[in-house]
Amino acid sequence: EAQVTQNPRYLITVTGKKLTVTCSQNMNHEYMSWYRQDPGLGLRQIYYSMNVEVTDKGDVPEGYKVSRKEKRNFPLILESPSPNQTSLYFCATEDRAYEQFFGPGTRLTVL
Amino acid sequence: AQSVAQPEDQVNVAEGNPLTVKCTYSVSGNPYLFWYVQYPNRGLQFLLKYITGDNLVKGSYGFEAEFNKSQTSFHLKKPSALVSDSALYFCAVRQNTGGFKTIFGAGTRLFVKA
Repeated sequence: EAQVTQNPRYLITVTGKKLTVTCSQNMNHEYMSWYRQDPGLGLRQIYYSMNVEVTDKGDVPEGYKVSRKEKRNFPLILESPSPNQTSLYFCATEDRAYEQFFGPGTRLTVL
Repeated sequence: AQSVAQPEDQVNVAEGNPLTVKCTYSVSGNPYLFWYVQYPNRGLQFLLKYITGDNLVKGSYGFEAEFNKSQTSFHLKKPSALVSDSALYFCAVRQNTGGFKTIFGAGTRLFVKA
């Protein structure tokens, strides 16, 4: 089954404690993205990757890092989380027809 | 800079009536336009897209959208709403040159009453 998986699905952490949200896909898509969803703001792109070792900033990259060492994985790293990064996070892949496939989401709370 | 506006936070329609969810955009060059839907507890799903060609595009679940270049709009429509269409709808745009960012609108919540 074609899918995008994210882990963890729920996370409560404290300010400053480094965390990583993993994203993995089995569709062999080159393009992957991270978004955050906040009420009234819709989805905002954090980072995207066109292929292995190729990443670029989206609209809200501050406070986040990504890496793309292999095609199937695109982890999102918060080196020093702050409460304003409390949000619902989605990983997505995109096929050659420009259609995006989203993971189930990770709900992050930073206290 | 790219931007997307969904002017309505919420749209209410009665089941069986036509529905329209509005979207306007701003982008350099020719746009790629998309609609996605977020059902409760089911994540985000692709509905339809405009890349090139016919201005009227058809998508999943009986939805369609019309690309209007002069009005920079891409409104989502359905001739007859179902209660099960109740969800959060997002319009998105991407430039087709010079970058690969995708910009989403703030979303419009659709309520279909039986």
